[in-house]
Amino acid sequence: DTAVSQTPKYLVTQMGNDKSIKCEQNLGHDTMYWYKQDSKKFLKIMFSYNNKELIINETVPNRFSPKSPDKAHLNLHINSLELGDSAVYFCASSFAGRRTEAFFGQGTRLTVV
Amino acid sequence: GQNIDQPTEMTATEGAIVQINCTYQTSGFNGLFWYQQHAGEAPTFLSYNVLDGLEEKGRFSSFLSRSKGYSYLLLKELQMKDSASYLCAVQDGATNKLIFGTGTLLAVQP
Repeated sequence: DTAVSQTPKYLVTQMGNDKSIKCEQNLGHDTMYWYKQDSKKFLKIMFSYNNKELIINETVPNRFSPKSPDKAHLNLHINSLELGDSAVYFCASSFAGRRTEAFFGQGTRLTVV
Repeated sequence: GQNIDQPTEMTATEGAIVQINCTYQTSGFNGLFWYQQHAGEAPTFLSYNVLDGLEEKGRFSSFLSRSKGYSYLLLKELQMKDSASYLCAVQDGATNKLIFGTGTLLAVQP
């Protein structure tokens, strides 16, 4: 039983394309996140949603658009992909508030060529 | 501003003890987390500290000093499978988001 699952695990695409990454959690959490991990392994938050509402947007380019149809799903759509978007994208979820231990999905390795 | 510092890499011997330090400067503080991340895998939760002192969980312990902006993760009886990156993360006081350090890559040698 996968707690946080994201698809696809690998994504190779050309510059300029549009792609989506899907994420689902079955932990009953009310908060979901997208993180980006670059080649230096630095994990940086991009977005956070609580009960389908956007609560954190870390100055991510407009080409990145998250969508949360319900509190168990948080998808990430990326328009006009650029070389610099190549990274591993992690979805995570937690309960809101303090001591918010986050559970991470297995990651999506995006390679833009 | 927000700044979290950890050593980039460490090496230790199987069966030994290793301490991974983390210093932080953040505008707010709701606790500090340690995560383990094996190569190509997701980060997994190890420990949480919000009060000063030591939290022990099996072979792993984590310490926090809020006045010094300092934490460490202590790994005892090291095993080869402990070779991984260890990520220190501070929970922001205003938004509750996790702010991660760059991680420490630990190599355990026979």
